[in-house]
Amino acid sequence: DIQMTQSPSSLSASVGDRVTITCRASQGISNYLAWYQQKPGKVPKLLIYAASTLQSGVPSRFSGSGSGTDFTLTISSLQPEDVATYYCQKYNSAPRTFGQGTKLEIK
Amino acid sequence: QVQLVQSGAEVKKPGASVKVSCKASGYTFTGYYMHWVRQAPGQGLEWMGRINPNSGGTNYAQKFQGRVTMTRDTSISTAYMELSRLRSDDTAVYYCARDRYSSGRGPDDYWGQGTLVTVSS
Repeated sequence: DIQMTQSPSSLSASVGDRVTITCRASQGISNYLAWYQQKPGKVPKLLIYAASTLQSGVPSRFSGSGSGTDFTLTISSLQPEDVATYYCQKYNSAPRTFGQGTKLEIK
Repeated sequence: QVQLVQSGAEVKKPGASVKVSCKASGYTFTGYYMHWVRQAPGQGLEWMGRINPNSGGTNYAQKFQGRVTMTRDTSISTAYMELSRLRSDDTAVYYCARDRYSSGRGPDDYWGQGTLVTVSS
């Protein structure tokens, strides 16, 4: 099975900072990569799919890039409401593995 | 608008089974795969499997093979996930999530509210 590895596991940044989270697949997955945001006590929310396509309604400060095995999620200017855990997921085939998550906090 | 409404919290004893329902509305139920994802307390997201509501065909994560059964009732637009031989480490919030694409090769764009299953003696 393909493994998905996120880094870092946790991250603390200041409001206004540019934040980058990476996700690496153990084998190539083309662009079948999604990013989800899960705020504390809430349901996961789809942010980005097809590696770089922004889901409707998601603020434009979020962006995604990558293809094959290496992917990034970038928040261009961190806002207080972005405090959450972020997960990548590969969905090209079963099993649809998630990364272990990156917990983002405000410094 | 698309909505997935799950059944309520459950408390089960070890060795028992649990069946969680997910009622869909706002779209054609048979047109989109449904996935099941779980999250143990303080842990990450874990994909359990999926069902094609049109055909009833399923794919399960190897970890759950033999213990999980996903079914659907198209007459009431509801998907079900049954997990048997429950253990304490099955304590988790269980989510249903709709695939964005009818092919089943899309991200999960709508999620149910989650169902907490607690396994305790």
